[in-house]
Amino acid sequence: EAQVTQNPRYLITVTGKKLTVTCSQNMNHEYMSWYRQDPGLGLRQIYYSMNVEVTDKGDVPEGYKVSRKEKRNFPLILESPSPNQTSLYFCASSFSGEFNSPLHFGNGTRLTVT
Amino acid sequence: AQKITQTQPGMFVQEKEAVTLDCTYDTSDPSYGLFWYKQPSSGEMIFLIYQGSYDQQNATEGRYSLNFQKARKSANLVISASQLGDSAMYFCAMREAYTDKLIFGTGTRLQVFP
Repeated sequence: EAQVTQNPRYLITVTGKKLTVTCSQNMNHEYMSWYRQDPGLGLRQIYYSMNVEVTDKGDVPEGYKVSRKEKRNFPLILESPSPNQTSLYFCASSFSGEFNSPLHFGNGTRLTVT
Repeated sequence: AQKITQTQPGMFVQEKEAVTLDCTYDTSDPSYGLFWYKQPSSGEMIFLIYQGSYDQQNATEGRYSLNFQKARKSANLVISASQLGDSAMYFCAMREAYTDKLIFGTGTRLQVFP
């Protein structure tokens, strides 16, 4: 089944403790990205990647890191999480970065930082 | 500046009736794609339908159709024969040719009652 897989689904952590949210897609998509969803602010792009070893900042990259060493994987790293990073996170992928290429989303990771 | 506007925070519809969810957009790019996503209470983002700026006909996918009025910059989602399982948040989104991200509206919460 074609899908984007994120793990974990739920995560509770404490301020400053490094964490990684994994994302993997099995559709051979070139483009991958991370979004966060917050009440009243909607979905905002954190980082995106056009291909292996090619990443760039989205609208809200502060406090996050990403890497794209393999085409299928695009982990999101929070080196020192803070409470304002409590949010619902989505990984997404698309065949390309073209305007006619729909993004397919993972099931989301609900992160709470205390 | 690119922007998506969904003016209906919430909508109610009776089962088996049709419902229209409004979406207007703003862009100066002639090449763009418009998308609708469904987010049930479980949190995942499900791709529903796509309309390209150069498409002459309105897109349809099963019970979903997109009423595309380019001159008015509107891309309304029509759900025919509503079902209880259609109760969810619905997001309109746009992707332009020369940006890589998907811009989302604030969403409309649809509730289907028996």
